Amino acid sequence: DAKTTQPPSMDCAEGRAANLPCNHSTISGNEYVYWYRQIHSQGPQYIIHGLKNNETNEMASLIITEDRKSSTLILPHATLRDTAVYYCIVRGGNKLVFGAGTILRVKS
Amino acid sequence: DAGVTQSPTHLIKTRGQHVTLRCSPISGHKSVSWYQQVLGQGPQFIFQYYEKEERGRGNFPDRFSARQFPNYSSELNVNALLLGDSALYLCASDRLAATTDTQYFGPGTRLTVL
Repeated sequence: DAKTTQPPSMDCAEGRAANLPCNHSTISGNEYVYWYRQIHSQGPQYIIHGLKNNETNEMASLIITEDRKSSTLILPHATLRDTAVYYCIVRGGNKLVFGAGTILRVKS
Repeated sequence: DAGVTQSPTHLIKTRGQHVTLRCSPISGHKSVSWYQQVLGQGPQFIFQYYEKEERGRGNFPDRFSARQFPNYSSELNVNALLLGDSALYLCASDRLAATTDTQYFGPGTRLTVL
């Protein structure tokens, strides 16, 4: 599975969009980009995933660059409850390989 | 619909003891994966089971073992506990153990080894 690079932490104002970047320059053609988040001491929560095209669901949008070497998770209107560790995972096999993630702090 | 459930929620053991953790997958899911999350780190893959067969194993010692039952629930067993086994143990389920299947996680079991 390809390695991902995420900033250690980010801050976002409540009500504003949160844009979380992820670099995955060694991604292979059949590997998916998955995003999970983990609120303190809880199990990781699935957010969204994609292969090539941009994806949107009720939680977030995923923007994948055309060369697929990076992606951005967008939370359109961040709330205090979105404060969590966000993990970007490139998945080529059955298991999920988690990195350190990005700590997103949403502030009022 | 109920999500992934795990029991117990918390557990305290002493070094050298044995522990069994349990997981019930989402209804209709046939695959269960186990992860260990040490404080301050991301979860690390331990095992994946599908249709009662081991599909994958992470870099963990033989003290760690697991099995899956006909109803697709699963147990994780850890023998000869060490202090370093203290962690949050997470179970995730998915339908078919395929790359495109989304894994959904349970709340975890917090194991403390004294």
